[in-house]
Amino acid sequence: NAGVTQTPKFQVLKTGQSMTLQCAQDMNHEYMSWYRQDPGMGLRLIHYSVGAGITDQGEVPNGYNVSRSTTEDFPLRLLSAAPSQTSVYFCASSQGTGGYVEKLFFGSGTQLSVL
Amino acid sequence: KQEVTQIPAALSVPEGENLVLNCSFTDSAIYNLQWFRQDPGKGLTSLLLIQSSQREQTSGRLNASLDKSSGRSTLYIAASQPGDSATYLCAVTNPSGGGADGLTFGKGTHLIIQP
Repeated sequence: NAGVTQTPKFQVLKTGQSMTLQCAQDMNHEYMSWYRQDPGMGLRLIHYSVGAGITDQGEVPNGYNVSRSTTEDFPLRLLSAAPSQTSVYFCASSQGTGGYVEKLFFGSGTQLSVL
Repeated sequence: KQEVTQIPAALSVPEGENLVLNCSFTDSAIYNLQWFRQDPGKGLTSLLLIQSSQREQTSGRLNASLDKSSGRSTLYIAASQPGDSATYLCAVTNPSGGGADGLTFGKGTHLIIQP
């Protein structure tokens, strides 16, 4: 059972470039989410989804887009990378219905540097 | 807005000691609370989840308690081992908005167990 798989593990971008962080889970979880983790700021929610076709913004959504065409996949798109987006990004998924988050399973993270 | 505080920010103890990590939250109307472990360069692993109607959960040498009325949770680690060295985070799921957008994390306690 792979759990939550994130790719790539490391990425370096130049300012203005775009890219997609991939996230897939094989646990048939309805809830998926993206967080960024920064020193001194803790974990902050970027976007989340409570099921295929349903997405919503979290605390820090600006500069990021998401879509959820299948239950398994929840990619995060950086539209025009900025140095302020240098961070470690985590995808997470959870069982539970009605949007209520139960035990949260995390991917191993993507370390992104924007020059 | 929900705020989650973890004290202490860092803790170093000799191997074999029992220890307590603290988590406090400002809004007691939570749906559940989770304790996570994060190893350097890795994602978070959920250790224990306590529903709002529960007082405690146990897993091996770990015991987590919840006192909703006072906005506090503790994680008790018995007979600590060097392998317990990691950062421990707590997170609460708020009932507003169905909970999906309401997962608030503390900034963690960095724990070092000295051999």
